[in-house]
Amino acid sequence: AQSVTQLGSHVSVSEGALVLLRCNYSSSVPPYLFWYVQYPNQGLQLLLKYTSAATLVKGINGFEAEFKKSETSFHLTKPSAHMSDAAEYFCAVSTSTGFQKLVFGTGTRLLVSP
Amino acid sequence: KAGVTQTPRYLIKTRGQQVTLSCSPISGHRSVSWYQQTPGQGLQFLFEYFSETQRNKGNFPGRFSGRQFSNSRSEMNVSTLELGDSALYLCASSLGAETNSPLHFGNGTRLTVT
Repeated sequence: AQSVTQLGSHVSVSEGALVLLRCNYSSSVPPYLFWYVQYPNQGLQLLLKYTSAATLVKGINGFEAEFKKSETSFHLTKPSAHMSDAAEYFCAVSTSTGFQKLVFGTGTRLLVSP
Repeated sequence: KAGVTQTPRYLIKTRGQQVTLSCSPISGHRSVSWYQQTPGQGLQFLFEYFSETQRNKGNFPGRFSGRQFSNSRSEMNVSTLELGDSALYLCASSLGAETNSPLHFGNGTRLTVT
């Protein structure tokens, strides 16, 4: 069964600093990987997805993630944090099983200080 | 294009009652999935419907059920409510033709069981 592990329930950065949110996956077949962001009292918004076309994936709001098979990782980065990036971030995995089902990580809350 | 719409946004119910939540997907999307989000268990998959058929079901008791109509709108029903059913229920839609088709989430229905 596939799963994802997000290291760090909370990550704190200063405005302008590099953002790095970690995600490691476990899957017996090539996975599809996703990063979602959740702002307070809202649903989840897709940031980016990996579907084997390219290992470096660019998403919205300046975020990107790199798929590393050897490390089973799909870490999310952003060169310069903005106050508006403060939210909860979820990594998710699905596999080619013929239906839509995402398995989510436990989430990482990003705190941005001025 | 309108996003995924969930109604109502908030619900307060008493133990033992039943509740029905509604979800209108993005126009053209044929797959609708439901997820439960709680602080303790995180995001958990409930079930997915595609063209009025349930394609997959998560590990929830039979008190949780759903259905999808011919216009792709979906409802989720929880009978005999328990205190532990208090959660944010998220609906997500996708084209559904491919398993890597990204999910688009609504803002959720927050259910409180007293």
